[in-house]
Amino acid sequence: DTEVTQTPKHLVMGMTNKKSLKCEQHMGHRAMYWYKQKAKKPPELMFVYSYEKLSINESVPSRFSPECPNSSLLNLHLHALQPEDSALYLCASSQDGRGGYGYTFGSGTRLTVV
Amino acid sequence: KNQVEQSPQSLIILEGKNCTLQCNYTVSPFSNLRWYKQDTGRGPVSLTIMTFSENTKSNGRYTATLDADTKQSSLHITASQLSDSASYICVVSERDKLSFGAGTTVTVRA
Repeated sequence: DTEVTQTPKHLVMGMTNKKSLKCEQHMGHRAMYWYKQKAKKPPELMFVYSYEKLSINESVPSRFSPECPNSSLLNLHLHALQPEDSALYLCASSQDGRGGYGYTFGSGTRLTVV
Repeated sequence: KNQVEQSPQSLIILEGKNCTLQCNYTVSPFSNLRWYKQDTGRGPVSLTIMTFSENTKSNGRYTATLDADTKQSSLHITASQLSDSASYICVVSERDKLSFGAGTTVTVRA
């Protein structure tokens, strides 16, 4: 298994809703990442989990809350989002937290906040 | 200032023709350089990855080159197909950090 699986593929939520994005990999990677990507822009790093511990938080608003239940799973909990949070949310994983070989992206969740 | 610059921003080519995309970077220290293909609304898919000592790497009709002295890389697409229409992103790894280029949007027309 050489994939990073993200669910759901599409999500529409209201500004008062609570929802979660899920990411799963079974490659034995010990680092997992959340990125946010706006149209025609490169991905922007949000969070890095290394060995199931949050190692990087790129000053992301608290309405985004990451969770790493185990080494294969990564969640992103969403609450009270704003329309400007609409974007493609990408999960990625790598063998370790040092940007080495094996850096693999999921297909993304297209989030629309209404 | 972005440490990874890509050119052109976009290009249109006819099916069957070749094209070359450029990537210049200032990231240091350099760990590796990757090229990704990203279809609209989808996650990036890795095409090639090269370390400091590698000059060229091929993946089917995609060939990447790297000149670590001048800090330049190129991605050559041979005999383009309609399915090659996508954004191509150059990503440079600096230890534990990835620096993304803005991408080149390639449109292949029949």
